Amino acid sequence: LAKTTQPISMDSYEGQEVNITCSHNNIATNDYITWYQQFPSQGPRFIIQGYKTKVTNEVASLFIPADRKSSTLSLPRVSLSDTAVYYCLVGVPTGGGNKLTFGTGTQLKVEL
Amino acid sequence: NAGVTQTPKFRVLKTGQSMTLLCAQDMNHEYMYWYRQDPGMGLRLIHYSVGEGTTAKGEVPDGYNVSRLKKQNFLLGLESAAPSQTSVYFCASSLLAVNIHEQFFGPGTRLTVL
Repeated sequence: LAKTTQPISMDSYEGQEVNITCSHNNIATNDYITWYQQFPSQGPRFIIQGYKTKVTNEVASLFIPADRKSSTLSLPRVSLSDTAVYYCLVGVPTGGGNKLTFGTGTQLKVEL
Repeated sequence: NAGVTQTPKFRVLKTGQSMTLLCAQDMNHEYMYWYRQDPGMGLRLIHYSVGEGTTAKGEVPDGYNVSRLKKQNFLLGLESAAPSQTSVYFCASSLLAVNIHEQFFGPGTRLTVL
């Protein structure tokens, strides 16, 4: 099975926009793409979810191209409190249905 | 509304010992999951349940068993612990999860097997 991959780490400064991409070239055709945020010693927390094109909520935007083989989480004007690990989650088709697969995770560090 | 809770928070076992991790949710969710997370790695699905009385294997099920006797509880058992099972275990639940994956996670259980 192809892995769901993300950049290992990204650095940014407060007030900048950050874009984190997840590559999922084996995604199930009928499955959504979900992104989570995880702080140290805590469980992941849901950020945003989408199926195609663009989705926006109060904390982030999610961009999904037509072929759905990747997705980009966009965090506008990050702050120090956005320092965390970000994971994408997709369903990957198997012989017995879709298998939920988390991406490899991206450590975002935001500095002053 | 406590959300998803996990018991215990920490545990140290010796090789060969057994234990059960308890996950409870008060959101009336149908789907429940057990994941493990190892240092520097993402989350890997161990087992999951799509409803009371059902269980299914995830990506790394070997060495673990699960039970879902009540809708609100999902138990993860280690019959004979091994050092390779040292990890942080997360439980999660979701209302509907056929294709939509908004999962709510517990705080985790840190397990060390000596």
